[in-house]
Amino acid sequence: DTGVSQDPRHKITKRGQNVTFRCDPISEHNRLYWYRQTLGQGPEFLTYFQNEAQLEKSRLLSDRFSAERPKGSFSTLEIQRTEQGDSAMYLCASSPIRQGWQETQYFGPGTRLLVL
Amino acid sequence: AQTVTQSQPEMSVQEAETVTLSCTYDTSESDYYLFWYKQPPSRQMILVIRQEAYKQQNATENRFSVNFQKAAKSFSLKISDSQLGDAAMYFCALTGANSKLTFGKGITLSVRP
Repeated sequence: DTGVSQDPRHKITKRGQNVTFRCDPISEHNRLYWYRQTLGQGPEFLTYFQNEAQLEKSRLLSDRFSAERPKGSFSTLEIQRTEQGDSAMYLCASSPIRQGWQETQYFGPGTRLLVL
Repeated sequence: AQTVTQSQPEMSVQEAETVTLSCTYDTSESDYYLFWYKQPPSRQMILVIRQEAYKQQNATENRFSVNFQKAAKSFSLKISDSQLGDAAMYFCALTGANSKLTFGKGITLSVRP
């Protein structure tokens, strides 16, 4: 299967702990996106990378959140000092780049985080 | 800022019938793209159909078609010959030059056998 993969699929943690999620995009895709989805809502944009460069961060991404894509392949999203409000599904998506054209984003299965 | 509005939280359709899901949007960009994504329960989000704003012709993909009304900023999804496997949450989404998707709140579609 060459789709977008995410690990872990589920994470339960205690308030105040740090968590890290991983996303492996489709291999030839240059762009990688992170979204957050709370129950009954549509996904909200967090940040995105083009290769290893982080091009945009949402105001939703507080100082406790950090994302990296060190070699332009997989990406990690870390949440420090988790809060109960961080409980959500974290979705990763990837897309190729084509000049002057918006490519479709393909989504992974998500990581569901529960902060107790 | 871009906004996407899906005002119907739930809809139901009889198997083999046709259903239309509504979506309105707002953007200040002239070049943008519209999407419908499907998210089955506990499964990942998949693309149903996309529409480029510069194209006047409505997109179609097998049983799925859209009614794109650019002046009205309306983008509805029609599902023909509904199947049990169509039951899912459907999200309308918009993107422009900044590449990030803006989603609506979604609509839960149930299919009655």
